[in-house]
Amino acid sequence: QLQLQESGPGLVKPSETLSLSCTVSGASISGSRYYWGWIRQPPGKGLEWIASIYYSGSAQYNPSLKSRVTISVDTSKNQFSLKLSSVTAADTAVYYCATAFGSGPNDYWGQGTLVTVSS
Amino acid sequence: DIQMTQSPSSLSASLGDRVTITCRASQSISSSLNWYQQKPGKAPKLLIHAASSLQSGVPSRFSGSGSGTDFTLTISSLQPEDFATYYCQQSYSSPRTFGQGTKVEIK
Repeated sequence: QLQLQESGPGLVKPSETLSLSCTVSGASISGSRYYWGWIRQPPGKGLEWIASIYYSGSAQYNPSLKSRVTISVDTSKNQFSLKLSSVTAADTAVYYCATAFGSGPNDYWGQGTLVTVSS
Repeated sequence: DIQMTQSPSSLSASLGDRVTITCRASQSISSSLNWYQQKPGKAPKLLIHAASSLQSGVPSRFSGSGSGTDFTLTISSLQPEDFATYYCQQSYSSPRTFGQGTKVEIK
């Protein structure tokens, strides 16, 4: 059973860079055909897809965030990561890591981690 | 970006009711439409993929239909554990976009 677990600071200061990791268990990032991605949800609001990456490094980004987002894969740790730069209060959200098989749905999700942007 | 519009944004229903939620895409997405259920404090759970395919383990009272731009999620007989927020999502093109959600509450 594939499982995902987010980790990273729960508090980030405005203008700094938010950094999160997602540890994958039950599957090898480099051995599967999954896309590995990030989705966020501001408190009380809806879901926003951020980015996804294939183990080869091929990535897709939401144009609304592309200038500030970097997604990467570390196959040696079986992890993938998200960096979001120049954060503001509007980036306060629960951040989920999730998988998708090709163009299919996001079928496995982490439990989510709340990141608050505040000084 | 493809815009996804759900309706209604919320509804009140009783146990045993038949509930229908609709989702409209701003352009044709073929059958690349997924439905998720989210309960407070939890990650979304996949219910339906490819517009009408029931995810393994999901009760058969949930069903999906539609293609092109118009889609429907139906709960045939509402159960206590079904009170939640439901989201549609298109996986036809990047960026994947979600509807704004439909909150199903107890009447």
